[in-house]
Amino acid sequence: GNSVTQMEGPVTLSEEAFLTINCTYTATGYPSLFWYVQYPGEGLQLLLKATKADDKGSNKGFEATYRKETTSFHLEKGSVQVSDSAVYFCALLKGSARQLTFGSGTQLTVLP
Amino acid sequence: ETGVTQTPRHLVMGMTNKKSLKCEQHLGHNAMYWYKQSAKKPLELMFVYSLEERVENNSVPSRFSPECPNSSHLFLHLHTLQPEDSALYLCASSQDPTGGTEAFFGQGTRLTVV
Repeated sequence: GNSVTQMEGPVTLSEEAFLTINCTYTATGYPSLFWYVQYPGEGLQLLLKATKADDKGSNKGFEATYRKETTSFHLEKGSVQVSDSAVYFCALLKGSARQLTFGSGTQLTVLP
Repeated sequence: ETGVTQTPRHLVMGMTNKKSLKCEQHLGHNAMYWYKQSAKKPLELMFVYSLEERVENNSVPSRFSPECPNSSHLFLHLHTLQPEDSALYLCASSQDPTGGTEAFFGQGTRLTVV
C-alpha cells in the first residue's frame, strides 16, 4: 500500500535559520504530493503541492521538489520566522482524495 | 462564506451525553470526510462520503454515527463516548472521484470526553 515517512520531530530552530523537513514515500505509479501545515489550534491548510516528477511546489517561501528517483518531497525554507511554528504534514494522493495518505507530522518551533 | 466550516470549535461532554459535530463546505465539492487527530498519533480517516453515499468506514466504533444529508453538510453524531475518544475531529472536502485534487480541511472540533 501507499505510505509516507517524514522525519520525526520536534524540530527547534532559531529565527532566520534554514529549514529542511525530510519526506519520502512509497507508492506505485505517479502520485501527487502535498505539504499541509497545521498552526496551533487550527485545522490543516494546504501549503504546497506537486503533481508530477521534477515539479517544484512553492508558497510563503517554502519549497519542495518532487523527486521520483529518490521518492522524496523534502520541504525547505531558507529563513524561518517565529510565525512558521506549526506542525507540517507530508501527504500523497493516488487516485481519489479518499486515498490521501498522511505522514505522522513534524512539529516545528522557531525561537526568536 | 467560503471553505470548510466546523462547529462547535470546542466541545466538552460526559460519557452519557449525546452531541453532534457539524461540518459545512462552500466549495461545491461532492465528497466529505471525517478524520480523527489524537496526540502522538497519525491522522486517522474515519468516514468518507462521496455523492452523499458512505463509501468508507474504517472500523470506527458504532458510538460514532455519521450523516450526510446533502453534498454541503456532514454531521458526526456522538453517544456514550469514552475518554480515549478525546481528540481533534477534522472535516475535509474534495472533488471526487476525478482524482489529483487535494482535500480542504476545516479548523476542527476539539472534543474532550469527561
